[in-house]
Amino acid sequence: KAGVTQTPRYLIKTRGQQVTLSCSPISGHRSVSWYQQTPGQGLQFLFEYFSETQRNKGNFPGRFSGRQFSNSRSEMNVSTLELGDSALYLCASSSTPLGSGGADTQYFGPGTRLTVL
Amino acid sequence: ELKVEQNPLFLSMQEGKNYTIYCNYSTTSDRLYWYRQDPGKSLESLFVLLSNGAVKQEGRLMASLDTKARLSTLHITAAVHDLSATYFCAVLSYNTNAGKSTFGDGTTLTVKP
Repeated sequence: KAGVTQTPRYLIKTRGQQVTLSCSPISGHRSVSWYQQTPGQGLQFLFEYFSETQRNKGNFPGRFSGRQFSNSRSEMNVSTLELGDSALYLCASSSTPLGSGGADTQYFGPGTRLTVL
Repeated sequence: ELKVEQNPLFLSMQEGKNYTIYCNYSTTSDRLYWYRQDPGKSLESLFVLLSNGAVKQEGRLMASLDTKARLSTLHITAAVHDLSATYFCAVLSYNTNAGKSTFGDGTTLTVKP
């Protein structure tokens, strides 16, 4: 079974631009979560999508948004990029939503490393 | 606001020794995750602990959860070099029945021969 894929793997943008990152979950997984990892703030939850609906959102400004398509692929968008948005963005998929009754093991993609200049 | 504290943040061990990583959290939760991250790589799920008293073991790693003490431990038995990595715990909290994870700062483990 193919793992979680993320594109692109590396991205360089300048302040003020916007960026869209893509995540394809494991086949059959309907939950996709996004995380930001930085040296200063560590790992932080961005949002989770399940069946095309955003279930929960972390403490990030409205510049961070996402969506999920009917095939469970997900995109996240960051508008008006700031230097502090430089980070590794990870997505993870699971068969059930976070906190649902079963063991919601998450499988992570390789990440997209975003550098904002 | 849920806070998750891991300690120690850095751990240097000799091969063959045992040690424990601690994960404390500030508010009630009944679900805790442990992950491993190798340098420059993504996260790998190790354990999902679902209830008070849960214990899970995989190879030289054993994780436990005490929801009353708001504490999880990751015990390493007879460490080997391949266990060198950063280990994160994450605690689930709920907002209108939807869960979100809060991560600890990670414990960077170095196992020396």
